[in-house]
Amino acid sequence: GIQVEQSPPDLILQEGANSTLRCNFSDSVNNLQWFHQNPWGQLINLFYIPSGTKQNGRLSATTVATERYSLLYISSSQTTDSGVYFCAVVSGGGADGLTFGKGTHLIIQP
Amino acid sequence: ETGVTQSPTHLIKTRGQQVTLRCSSQSGHNTVSWYQQALGQGPQFIFQYYREEENGRGNFPPRFSGLQFPNYSSELNVNALELDDSALYLCASSLGQGEREQYFGPGTRLTVT
Repeated sequence: GIQVEQSPPDLILQEGANSTLRCNFSDSVNNLQWFHQNPWGQLINLFYIPSGTKQNGRLSATTVATERYSLLYISSSQTTDSGVYFCAVVSGGGADGLTFGKGTHLIIQP
Repeated sequence: ETGVTQSPTHLIKTRGQQVTLRCSSQSGHNTVSWYQQALGQGPQFIFQYYREEENGRGNFPPRFSGLQFPNYSSELNVNALELDDSALYLCASSLGQGEREQYFGPGTRLTVT
């Protein structure tokens, strides 16, 4: 099956800093989503981005499908941005579930 | 618009018992997928239901089974519970199958002792 690798695994930043999270995948995809998992376990949708670029406030994402990677940018980090960020993809038929990476654990210090 | 809801929030069971978890899909969504998330790991796909039929399954044994009802809500049943079944169980709904955006519920945390 498809492999999803996220980097870095851990990231500690000061409030106000910018960060870039990377997701590499091993095959073509027809769905790519970025999630933020809060301390209670809720997965919050950030972007649905199988290709192209999107922006939502301080967050933006780019997926280069031909080169099999996606980037999540967080600008002017706030302590509430802390948590685990997951990239998840679907490759192949319509009945396939999301394959998740292992996540990037982000800690924003005040 | 009502989001995805799951019940119960927490559950403690004994090894060998059976458990049923419930999920109500987001309004208008006809597809439900279930995922298992062990501590410190990413979620893993269990199976997907579309129009009341299981139409996709991950690498989970048959003691993991499910149902989808005409209102698109769903149940996950796990028989003969093992200690390794302790995890956060997440339900996601979407309008259509795999390539469509999935929206997740808050999860059910299952502890098997």
